[in-house]
Amino acid sequence: NAGVMQNPRHLVRRRGQEARLRCSPMKGHSHVYWYRQLPEEGLKFMVYLQKENIIDESGMPKERFSAEFPKEGPSILRIQQVVRGDSAAYFCASSPGPGYEQYFGPGTRLTVT
Amino acid sequence: TQLLEQSPQFLSIQEGENLTVYCNSSSVFSSLQWYRQEPGEGPVLLVTVVTGGEVKKLKRLTFQFGDARKDSSLHITAAQPGDTGLYLCAGSQGAQKLVFGQGTRLTINP
Repeated sequence: NAGVMQNPRHLVRRRGQEARLRCSPMKGHSHVYWYRQLPEEGLKFMVYLQKENIIDESGMPKERFSAEFPKEGPSILRIQQVVRGDSAAYFCASSPGPGYEQYFGPGTRLTVT
Repeated sequence: TQLLEQSPQFLSIQEGENLTVYCNSSSVFSSLQWYRQEPGEGPVLLVTVVTGGEVKKLKRLTFQFGDARKDSSLHITAAQPGDTGLYLCAGSQGAQKLVFGQGTRLTINP
């Protein structure tokens, strides 16, 4: 399967815990995008990364959220001290370069109890 | 902030009927994508339109990009139950983020 991979598919965290969401882009893709989808809403852009660089984080909440895409390994979206409002589906997309089509992973559904 | 308005938000029709979903914005986009999303899954890319006035066909689905590259439509001919799903339009301005519409939830009744 050469598609975008995300894990875990489902994640349950209690308020105050940390959530780590992982994304492995398609083979040959070096650009990763994170989006969040609240129930019954469209997707909202969060952050755009290339290997070892954050290109655009204009959609990221100012506190508690961070993202990285190291030279080796998957991209990580990290949410510290989760709150109930963080419950959502988080999708990762990848592309081979800027301006190319984005292909999405299956998402991670985060539930904060 | 660029916005994409999709209409209708919900549509329920009988098998065999035709339908059109609209995606409108006051902003110009360099390209526009249509995705389909099944429950519990990620969006799957259906088509990308780039040129103003462009029309693309995918079996019974016809996609059109407005001349001014601010709007798009998706027309489905002879809808089938397998067409049921959430349809999302997304606009791109250059290299980076996609701006999504809120989606059209389509139900085709047998």
